[in-house]
Amino acid sequence: DVKVTQSSRYLVKRTGEKVFLECVQDMDHENMFWYRQDPGLGLRLIYFSYDVKMKEKGDIPEGYSVSREKKERFSLILESASTNQTSMYLCASSFPAGGIAEDTGELFFGEGSRLTVL
Amino acid sequence: SQKIEQNSEALNIQEGKTATLTCNYTNYSPAYLQWYRQDPGRGPVFLLLIRENEKEKRKERLKVTFDTTLKQSLFHITASQPADSATYLCALTNAGKSTFGDGTTLTVKP
Repeated sequence: DVKVTQSSRYLVKRTGEKVFLECVQDMDHENMFWYRQDPGLGLRLIYFSYDVKMKEKGDIPEGYSVSREKKERFSLILESASTNQTSMYLCASSFPAGGIAEDTGELFFGEGSRLTVL
Repeated sequence: SQKIEQNSEALNIQEGKTATLTCNYTNYSPAYLQWYRQDPGRGPVFLLLIRENEKEKRKERLKVTFDTTLKQSLFHITASQPADSATYLCALTNAGKSTFGDGTTLTVKP
């Protein structure tokens, strides 16, 4: 079974703390993504990575950074957590679309990390 | 700016009927469109994909249509069952990056 594993299902942090969210995939996917999901706002892309040590900003990168030192691992970092970063964070991975005929960029998601910042 | 709208936040239907969910978009030229299912507290799970040059795709009780002129996709679940109750998300993909709609929560009543 293919798998995307997020390190923590639930976290509670205080304002100003540094927060690390870890994601590991076992499918040898090149692409990895971090989304946040909020009621009424849907899934919004924070950052993505097409390869090791590469990163691209998504639609809402402010207040976040990422790290991809190994192909299977993509970390999301909140340098100084704030209450408006309370959310469900979802990691996903995929093959690049078009690499092989059937590679469509289908996303495989982890179970999510629900972060509460007090 | 790009905008994706799914027809309604919630849809309630009777078991055995066909559920039809709508995804409309503006200011976007997707290479393809995907539909995902999400259960409460879980990550989305891929269901179907349709490319820009395809009109219709089927998989078991699921059918997706894609009209790039109308900028609309319809997602149908035939012979719906209570187990189909979930939130359904459409996603537009281009250059490897996917943008999601807010989702429609489907409830199938027995």
